[in-house]
This record gives sequence, structure tokens and C-alpha cells, in this order.
Amino acid sequence: QLHLQESGPGLVKPSETLSLTCTVSGGSISSSSYYWGWIRQPPGRGLEWIGSIYYSGSTYYNPSLKSRVTISVDTSKNQFSLKMSSVTAADTAVYYCARHLPPATTMIDSWGQGTLVAVSS
Amino acid sequence: SYELTQPPSVSVSPGQTASITCSGDKLGDKYVYWYQQKPGQSPVLVIYQDTNRPSGIPARFSGSNSGNTATLTISGTQAMDESDYYCQAWDSSIAVVFGGGTKLTVL
Repeated sequence: QLHLQESGPGLVKPSETLSLTCTVSGGSISSSSYYWGWIRQPPGRGLEWIGSIYYSGSTYYNPSLKSRVTISVDTSKNQFSLKMSSVTAADTAVYYCARHLPPATTMIDSWGQGTLVAVSS
Repeated sequence: SYELTQPPSVSVSPGQTASITCSGDKLGDKYVYWYQQKPGQSPVLVIYQDTNRPSGIPARFSGSNSGNTATLTISGTQAMDESDYYCQAWDSSIAVVFGGGTKLTVL
């Protein structure tokens, strides 16, 4: 049974960098069949895709966030990570890591439990 | 960029049929996925590739997609189906796009 677990600070100051890690267990992040992504959900609002990465390191990002986002992968630790720079209160959200099929299908078949990140001084 | 539009809310009586729509330009040319999200929980896939149910999803959930509109239908709606529902598709302009979500109320 695949399990994804987000970890990282729950509070980030404005203008600083948000950093989260997703640890994958019960399956290999190096699977050729899947991409690994980050999705967020501001309180009381809808889902927003942030970006995704393949085990090889190939990435693609939401154009609206691309300038501030970097996603990386560490296959030796079965983890992938999110960095978002210059955060503001608008970046306060529950951040989910997830597994999905490749582009043009992108069916998200497994989600982490989510972690709330608040941006506040 | 590509957008998917859902009604903010839909109400249905127990045992009746609920229909939740998702609209987008030439959406019928794309695969649509539907997710159910209950308060405080992660989303769960309920329909994939327009019409298919993952293992463990009740048969009362069905989907269709044609033209500019995809529809999630819940037949014989139960109280446990009260949730937020999100449609999702892939578009070359943005990659992964979600609809704004629909709150289904069973009353």
C-alpha cells in the first residue's frame, strides 16, 4: 500500500522560502509509470496544482507559480521536495503531495494527508 | 490558460440523483477525472478517464464527457456522499487543471 507523507515547517514568515518534503513508502519513487506532484488548497477554497517531477528529474510547473517554485527528487531517500520562494499570506494553504500518471492523463491515484503551512510574521 | 467551471453548490434529496457538471472548452476531447473530498480529508479519486470507477468506488457513481461538459452523476444519493467534488483535466497550457469544486448537500 503506497503511503505519502508530507513534512516541513507549519509556519513560514512572509518573503521567506517555504520548504516541504514528501516521503514515499510502500513503493518506489523511481517507478517509470508515475510522476510525483504538489497540490495545495487554501483554507475553504479549491485545489491548485503546483508542479510535478519524474524520477529522472524532469519537471513541469503551473505557469502562475513557476517563477517561485522548485521541485526536486532524491531517489536514494525515496523523497521529493518543494521549495517556494518569496511567500505571502496568499500562500497559506494545506499542501498535498501526490502520485499521478504521466502528462496527458495525470490521473492522481494517491495523495498524502496534507500539511497546513501558514505564512505569517 | 485553460479553465474548468463547476457550480459552487448542488443539493439533492436522499435517494435521488445528483448531477455535478464541469465545463471547459472542448472538454470532450480530454480525459476528465473526478475527486471526492470530505472535510479535513485528502481527495479521493471516484471517476477516471471520463467514465471509469476505481476499485472500491460504489456503482452509484458514474461519469460522462461530451462537447464542452463533463458530468458526475450519483444515483441513489446517500448521506455519506455529502462532500466537495472536483473535476480535473490536463491541458497543454497549464498541465494539471482543477475545477473550482462543487459542494454537494444531501438534504
